[in-house]
Amino acid sequence: DVKVTQSSRYLVKRTGEKVFLECVQDMDHENMFWYRQDPGLGLRLIYFSYDVKMKEKGDIPEGYSVSREKKERFSLILESASTNQTSMYLCASSLTGPGGPPLHFGNGTRLTVT
Amino acid sequence: KQEVTQIPAALSVPEGENLVLNCSFTDSAIYNLQWFRQDPGKGLTSLLLIQSSQREQTSGRLNASLDKSSGRSTLYIAASQPGDSATYLCAPKPKGGSYIPTFGRGTSLIVHP
Repeated sequence: DVKVTQSSRYLVKRTGEKVFLECVQDMDHENMFWYRQDPGLGLRLIYFSYDVKMKEKGDIPEGYSVSREKKERFSLILESASTNQTSMYLCASSLTGPGGPPLHFGNGTRLTVT
Repeated sequence: KQEVTQIPAALSVPEGENLVLNCSFTDSAIYNLQWFRQDPGKGLTSLLLIQSSQREQTSGRLNASLDKSSGRSTLYIAASQPGDSATYLCAPKPKGGSYIPTFGRGTSLIVHP
């Protein structure tokens, strides 16, 4: 069965800290995504990656960066965490092919920045 | 840019009712549409994926239909149960651009005993 694992369910960080959110998938998927989800705003795409070392900006990349050194792992980095980055972060993956592969999500990381 | 609207935003029903959740989208040039369920504080679980060439897809008590030309999909839940309580999201996948699905804001469902 498809498995997308986010390393932490809950994180509490201080303003200004560098924060790493990790996501690992075991399905050999080419595509990986980072979203944030906020009440009233829905899911918003931060970054995505089509392949190792490839990355593309989503709708709200400001304040974030990503790293994909291995196919199975996609990391989201908050260079200097701020309180407005308190949110639920969701990682997803899919196979390549515009025709039909579904998205698979991890369980999410609830990040609180104080 | 694709816009996705889900109606109703919230729904509270007694157990046993048959439910209809609606999803509309502005750009009908899609490859497929995926329905998800999200429990509070959790990630999204895929329920059904309908390809653009299909009219409907069924899984247990769930049935999803797609009318691509009118930009609509409907999720039917038969004989609702308290365990169906969750937020339901739809996500059409576009044929152009980055091919990344756009998400609706969801329908929050409560089924009470």
